[in-house]
Amino acid sequence: GDSVTQKQGQVTLSEDDFLFINCTYSTTTYPTLLWYVQYPGQGPQLLLKVTTANNKGISRGFEATYDKGTTSFHLQKASVQESDSAVYFCALVGGNYKPTFGKGTSLVVHP
Amino acid sequence: EAAVTQSPRNKVAVTGGKVTLSCNQTNNHNNMYWYRQDTGHGLRLIHYSYGAGSTEKGDIPDGYKASRPSQENFSLILELATPSQTSVYFCASGDPGGVVAEQFFGPGTRLTVL
Repeated sequence: GDSVTQKQGQVTLSEDDFLFINCTYSTTTYPTLLWYVQYPGQGPQLLLKVTTANNKGISRGFEATYDKGTTSFHLQKASVQESDSAVYFCALVGGNYKPTFGKGTSLVVHP
Repeated sequence: EAAVTQSPRNKVAVTGGKVTLSCNQTNNHNNMYWYRQDTGHGLRLIHYSYGAGSTEKGDIPDGYKASRPSQENFSLILELATPSQTSVYFCASGDPGGVVAEQFFGPGTRLTVL
């Protein structure tokens, strides 16, 4: 079955630092790869989508890219703000439309 | 605006009791999902549905049942609740075969089993 590995459990940064979160995946299909963000007390919401066709997605200053060779996709932002503090999940939707989520990365940004 | 609502928002249950968590969506999505979220495990899929009358087992279905009586409603049922089922439960709707493959999540239900 499909699997997603998100190893970074917590990332602590200062404002204006560079953010990089990596996920690796395994699937036998042509997946859609997504990043979700979850703010305290809320459900996750979609941040970015990357398809294996376009290799990249951009939203709200975040950029997600995909590397077929290493079956990895990562999320980056050039300059984080305190308001970016949240939990970030990578996810994969395979051919059977059953989503698989990573364990999440808690981002803490200090002013 | 897409909307997924859950009830109750908080629930305290006793071991061995029956618990029903309800979810309603106004997105007219065919697919609906139930997840639980625990520290260190992220979001784990319990059951999902492709449409009214259908339920499918997710990755961790043991101890849970699901019911999809209509396009809008999807319930998660714990027939005999156990303390290990203490968690935050999220419902979502989505159209994974669509262009965006996005899921829309509800606000969550915090369940405590004593």
